[in-house]
Amino acid sequence: SQQGEEDPQALSIQEGENATMNCSYKTSINNLQWYRQNSGRGLVHLILIRSNEREKHSGRLRVTLDTSKKSSSLLITASRAADTASYFCATDNPQGGSEKLVFGKGTKLTVNP
Amino acid sequence: KAGVTQTPRYLIKTRGQQVTLSCSPISGHRSVSWYQQTPGQGLQFLFEYFSETQRNKGNFPGRFSGRQFSNSRSEMNVSTLELGDSALYLCASSLWASGSYEQYFGPGTRLTVT
Repeated sequence: SQQGEEDPQALSIQEGENATMNCSYKTSINNLQWYRQNSGRGLVHLILIRSNEREKHSGRLRVTLDTSKKSSSLLITASRAADTASYFCATDNPQGGSEKLVFGKGTKLTVNP
Repeated sequence: KAGVTQTPRYLIKTRGQQVTLSCSPISGHRSVSWYQQTPGQGLQFLFEYFSETQRNKGNFPGRFSGRQFSNSRSEMNVSTLELGDSALYLCASSLWASGSYEQYFGPGTRLTVT
């Protein structure tokens, strides 16, 4: 079953705009990760944020984590057409006795040139 | 450093047959995880291997099995294929436990069951 749920399911914006995607999860976590997937291909790791971190940056990406609300957001600034992809959050589940990653269903982002 | 490789990339099988997929992790990575991705169910965890031992298993029937060799290469096998097994099968490797470290994904094997 999915641990993370991304919102929105689909997002369409113009090049140069910012894109914000949200992820909510159900159980406590040690880490939360964001991945990108171009159509029908493997996933690419974007950022890992640990439960004791609140914000992390990587280039045009900004990830926040609010463990009290069990939610995370991914912000892509100054989007480009090449950012068109599906974005997934993934969490571990330490309480479940497992360190495996559980992925949400993803947000499909379309950046129009 | 070479990335994660998966073979074959595409496969067409008939219901009732069995299939073996292969994954070669990044050199030095000891954890290999397998995922099934379908439009309806999304990305679902199959199993994780670490140092030749299955460490975690998802909620899949016993028809799905895997193993890891001493060089960390991994294979997964699906027996008695069903139409619903049609999916993109992704393999990922990480330095250590998949939950704590970034995973590097292969391009996937697209399995079609007819």
